[in-house]
Amino acid sequence: AQSVAQPEDQVNVAEGNPLTVKCTYSVSGNPYLFWYVQYPNRGLQFLLKYITGDNLVKGSYGFEAEFNKSQTSFHLKKPSALVSDSALYFCAVREGSSASKIIFGSGTRLSIRP
Amino acid sequence: GAVVSQHPSWVICKSGTSVKIECRSLDFQATTMFWYRQFPKQSLMLMATSNEGSKATYEQGVEKDKFLINHASLTLSTLTVTSAHPEDSSFYICSAQEQGYLNTEAFFGQGTRLTVV
Repeated sequence: AQSVAQPEDQVNVAEGNPLTVKCTYSVSGNPYLFWYVQYPNRGLQFLLKYITGDNLVKGSYGFEAEFNKSQTSFHLKKPSALVSDSALYFCAVREGSSASKIIFGSGTRLSIRP
Repeated sequence: GAVVSQHPSWVICKSGTSVKIECRSLDFQATTMFWYRQFPKQSLMLMATSNEGSKATYEQGVEKDKFLINHASLTLSTLTVTSAHPEDSSFYICSAQEQGYLNTEAFFGQGTRLTVV
């Protein structure tokens, strides 16, 4: 069965510093990996995805993520954090190319201090 | 980008009544829609997968008679919480997968905050 782990409940970063939000996954087939962001009392907004191709994926709002097959990781990164990046971030995985269910990690709360 | 509209955004109901939540894909056709439940400060728990024209597939532990799902068209899925109780109070979120585009991300509604009193 597929699963996703986000080992950090919270990440605190000063504005202007680089940030990393960690994610590891487990699937038996090819992984389809996603990052979403959630603001309070709102649905999820898509940030980026890895399906195939380049291991470094660039997404919305200056975020990027690196797919590492050997480490089964898909960490989210941003070179310079903004206070407005403060939110709840979810890593998610779908196994294979079928329209199968997407499983979410536990979420990481990102807090950017001015 | 693709838009998923969820209605209502919040609802308060009395114990024992039923509540219907709608999930619409506004600018695309969704063969598959997913219903999630989110508790405060927790992740999204998949409740069921809804396929147009067929019965929904429920996750283990989710009562299908309590959480009725209907996906009658390619743009609309509904979740009805029957005989609601305070423990059903939660944030419910739907997502939709665009028909024929299996490599894309799922698009999410804005969520429905249900409070049962």
